[in-house]
Amino acid sequence: QVRLQESGPRLVKPSETLSLTCTVSGGSISSYFWSWIRQPPGKTLEWIGNIYYSGSTNYNPSLKSRVTISLDTSKDQFSLKVSSVIAADTAVYYCARAYYDIWSGYSLHFFDYWGQGTLVTVSS
Amino acid sequence: EIVLTQSPGTLSLSPGERCTLSCRASQSISSSYLAWYQQKPGQAPRLLIYGASSRATGFPDRFSGSGSGTDFSLTISRLEPEDFAVYYCQQYGSSPYTFGQGTKLEIK
Repeated sequence: QVRLQESGPRLVKPSETLSLTCTVSGGSISSYFWSWIRQPPGKTLEWIGNIYYSGSTNYNPSLKSRVTISLDTSKDQFSLKVSSVIAADTAVYYCARAYYDIWSGYSLHFFDYWGQGTLVTVSS
Repeated sequence: EIVLTQSPGTLSLSPGERCTLSCRASQSISSSYLAWYQQKPGQAPRLLIYGASSRATGFPDRFSGSGSGTDFSLTISRLEPEDFAVYYCQQYGSSPYTFGQGTKLEIK
């Protein structure tokens, strides 16, 4: 069974950089797209961006100037950095896996596995 | 960016009743690339429907999805106590992938 687990600081000061890591277990990081998604308290979900196992990335234009997603295949981990954070970046951050159809070889960007989520608060 | 509008915002029903949740897109979603998720308090969203009408593993057949183009719906034929949750639609036809604002299904 594939499991994803987010880790990182739960409190970040305004203007600093938020850093999270997602560790994948029970399955390979290869052949998949891996995403970060966030959910401010009481609000809906926002897709932040993704990374392919090859290292190519795609970001939401609303956050693109402040976001970096990277991958460490040797550790089966991928990471998120959000720079210059403000209070509006306070949210539960989820890592998630995009579906891969083994028969067609295509990836479809709905999310079949999610981490449990971690609340990151931006406050001084 | 495709904007998804879900209605109603909140639905108050009793176990055993039937419900239909709506998700409308600001532009046509290619290949019916629409998913639905169920989220319970303090939990991550759980994939429920993909491809507008394919049910994910672990969900019973009282859940069904339909629609195409810009109009999609999720129907629960007979509500069970465990079905009361928030439901989100998501389009994955074009990046950025976007979610609706959610429908909260609460016990009446």
